[in-house]
Amino acid sequence: KNEVEQSPQNLTAQEGEFITINCSYSVGISALHWLQQHPGGGIVSLFMLSSGKKKHGRLIATINIQEKHSSLHITASHPRDSAVYICAVNTDKLIFGTGTRLQVFP
Amino acid sequence: DTAVSQTPKYLVTQMGNDKSIKCEQNLGHDTMYWYKQDSKKFLKIMFSYNNKELIINETVPNRFSPKSPDKAHLNLHINSLELGDSAVYFCASSQDRRSEAFFGQGTRLTVV
Repeated sequence: KNEVEQSPQNLTAQEGEFITINCSYSVGISALHWLQQHPGGGIVSLFMLSSGKKKHGRLIATINIQEKHSSLHITASHPRDSAVYICAVNTDKLIFGTGTRLQVFP
Repeated sequence: DTAVSQTPKYLVTQMGNDKSIKCEQNLGHDTMYWYKQDSKKFLKIMFSYNNKELIINETVPNRFSPKSPDKAHLNLHINSLELGDSAVYFCASSQDRRSEAFFGQGTRLTVV
């Protein structure tokens, strides 16, 4: 069992839908990261959070430290949001989830 | 200006060869990393350096040798390449081990 589990593994949505990706972890962490990897392969850091909630544009990330769970929400999804979203937790190193492949159709 | 840059972006080579991937960051960060992304897109840390000192080595074969000439550079040298080394290798940097990481664009290595 991975120390970081994401669900769902694959997600398809219609443009405009509200999307939620979940991440659960089993280790003690100092922070949790949400990363985005586009089909071209580059990885971009979306959020780093250790408590509460962060918002950037249409993206919202929340974390519940007691429950060892985080969610990434995308409001009003758009085809350009299509990417792999990766959860990673920071112990003394980054441990990655297996990613969620999101496809948003027009 | 690219914050974390890796070269080359693509590398195709034969089994048994020795190759290097270079990584440079202009962010003034103290910590740099090498990650491997396998065919299933799973990312795993290989090495972490802090101020030119190795702090994490994740059971990587000793054919892989990182070299950090200064804290802005972390190069990855691979000896005697094997088919199983084919993957995408990402370099990243962060201010320290608990800070946000910035990734390079990746190097797709194909061993034939």
